[in-house]
Amino acid sequence: QQQVKQSPQSLIVQKGGIPIINCAYENTAFDYFPWYQQFPGKGPALLIAIRPDVSEKKEGRFTISFNKSAKQFSLHIMDSQPGDSATYFCAASKYNDYKLSFGAGTTVTVRA
Amino acid sequence: DAMVIQNPRYQVTQFGKPVTLSCSQTLNHNVMYWYQQKSSQAPKLLFHYYDKDFNNEADTPDNFQSRRPNTSFCFLDIRSPGLGDAAMYLCATSRDSPAQPQHFGDGTRLSIL
Repeated sequence: QQQVKQSPQSLIVQKGGIPIINCAYENTAFDYFPWYQQFPGKGPALLIAIRPDVSEKKEGRFTISFNKSAKQFSLHIMDSQPGDSATYFCAASKYNDYKLSFGAGTTVTVRA
Repeated sequence: DAMVIQNPRYQVTQFGKPVTLSCSQTLNHNVMYWYQQKSSQAPKLLFHYYDKDFNNEADTPDNFQSRRPNTSFCFLDIRSPGLGDAAMYLCATSRDSPAQPQHFGDGTRLSIL
């Protein structure tokens, strides 16, 4: 079964809008939460990552919000651009493990 | 730039004909991974190496094998490809401690005729 649940499956926003992608997990052993961005025909690229000791992290226009008690985390893309159109995967890794558990992915389309 | 390189980018093989995909890395990472990714799905881990220690996922078919002759190179062998094995195959690396970023190559798109 999927250990990280991701929603929505797809979303469309206008340029300048703020797409929000949500992920939830159950396993409290998860200690590392990266987000990957994947363009068609390319491998996933690490976008931003967070650990549970912080509630928010920003890198450029990308922000992760983390709610440890609710076991949820989300990605916000501020001032979205057509070049941000891609599939985004959340993931989680346990403190004692090398493996990543991926969410199912969200396809984001930013219209000009 | 340090990176993960996969060759070839596109591979076509015949049903049942063995095929080998290759991955090299200049990051000097101890851990290497092979993933299978089908259209509109998340990457699915097939196996990973911690240095030379091989770790197979329980649901990886026996048809898939791997070799890691040294730190820099890793190979994925598909002994008898079936139509269901058509997918993107991704190689990734990470440092040798748990819960670290994984760095992916751009994958090999495998087609089966």
